[in-house]
Amino acid sequence: GQQVMQIPQYQHVQEGEDFTTYCNSSTTLSNIQWYKQRPGGHPVFLIQLVKSGEVKKQKRLTFQFGEAKKNSSLHITATQTTDVGTYFCAGQGYSTLTFGKGTMLLVSP
Amino acid sequence: DSGVTQTPKHLITATGQRVTLRCSPRSGDLSVYWYQQSLDQGLQFLIQYYNGEERAKGNILERFSAQQFPDLHSELNLSSLELGDSALYFCASSGQGARDTQYFGPGTRLTVL
Repeated sequence: GQQVMQIPQYQHVQEGEDFTTYCNSSTTLSNIQWYKQRPGGHPVFLIQLVKSGEVKKQKRLTFQFGEAKKNSSLHITATQTTDVGTYFCAGQGYSTLTFGKGTMLLVSP
Repeated sequence: DSGVTQTPKHLITATGQRVTLRCSPRSGDLSVYWYQQSLDQGLQFLIQYYNGEERAKGNILERFSAQQFPDLHSELNLSSLELGDSALYFCASSGQGARDTQYFGPGTRLTVL
């Protein structure tokens, strides 16, 4: 079945440093979605990418979808303590959305 | 607030017991999804219902079952509970199906002692 791998599993940065998480699917995706889960909270939708090579920005967050529609990345510029949480990618296959295991981001002030 | 509600918030029970988790989707959403989140397994998709019918099945154990009622709320039944079933159970809803954004509820934390 479809598998979605996400790396790194965990990253600890100093406030102001950049952060990137990568997502790779075993199959071509129709779209990829990104979610953020704050500690003790539930996953919250951030964005959806649909087109090959698509790049979208939300303030300090930049999302990319690979040309082959099998990989994606989320880059945060100049992290802040409010960025703390686990970031999940979720790949949309034929009928189901498969979540990666997430990247836990810790930001020290 | 996502608009998805889940009850109860916490549940503590013993091995061998049976519990029912309840989910009400966002107004107008037809699809309901159930996920299990544990520390080592991440978010595991269990099952999806669309307008009362089972649409997709993931890693759902035979001891677990779910249904979606005519008013679109859903219940997840967990039986013969084991220690390893302790986890956060999330319900999510979306509009037209699996290709839509999913909105997650606050979750039910199940502890099996």
